[in-house]
Amino acid sequence: KAGVTQTPRYLIKTRGQQVTLSCSPISGHRSVSWYQQTPGQGLQFLFEYFSETQRNKGNFPGRFSGRQFSNSRSEMNVSTLELGDSALYLCASSLLGMGLSEQYFGPGTRLTVT
Amino acid sequence: SQQGEEDPQALSIQEGENATMNCSYKTSINNLQWYRQNSGRGLVHLILIRSNEREKHSGRLRVTLDTSKKSSSLLITASRAADTASYFCATDATGTASKLTFGTGTRLQVTL
Repeated sequence: KAGVTQTPRYLIKTRGQQVTLSCSPISGHRSVSWYQQTPGQGLQFLFEYFSETQRNKGNFPGRFSGRQFSNSRSEMNVSTLELGDSALYLCASSLLGMGLSEQYFGPGTRLTVT
Repeated sequence: SQQGEEDPQALSIQEGENATMNCSYKTSINNLQWYRQNSGRGLVHLILIRSNEREKHSGRLRVTLDTSKKSSSLLITASRAADTASYFCATDATGTASKLTFGTGTRLQVTL
């Protein structure tokens, strides 16, 4: 069974631009969660989607948004990028949901904002 | 915000020794999970322990959970250089619709 894939793996953007990251979950998994990881703040939960609906949301500004498609693939978008958005963005898929069953993580997208 | 705090923040041991990491959390939970992260990569799920369980084993891993003290420990026995990684606990707090919150992590270094 193929694992969770994330594209792109690395990205460099300029302040003020917007970015879209993609995540393909393991086949059959309906839950996709997104996390931001930085040295200063650690792993912070962004949002979770389950069957195309946002089920949980973390404490991030509205510049961070996401969606999930009918095939469970998910995208997250960050608009008006700030230097502080530089981070490793991880997505994870699970069968029942992030808290109910184990999550399988993708390799992450490393975003650098200059 | 972080629900879990891991202790110690960093741990350095020699191959063959046991490594113990602790996690404390603040609210009631449904379950607690441990994950491993190799440098700059995605996380790997290690073990899930439910709130009504006290101890769980998986290979060289032993996890305990004390809900009265709101704490958990992860023991890695007979450590290997390949165990070098950061270890995170994550909690599913009750009443949060299965939202998972990660701790700050313990950085484990296993030397030959």
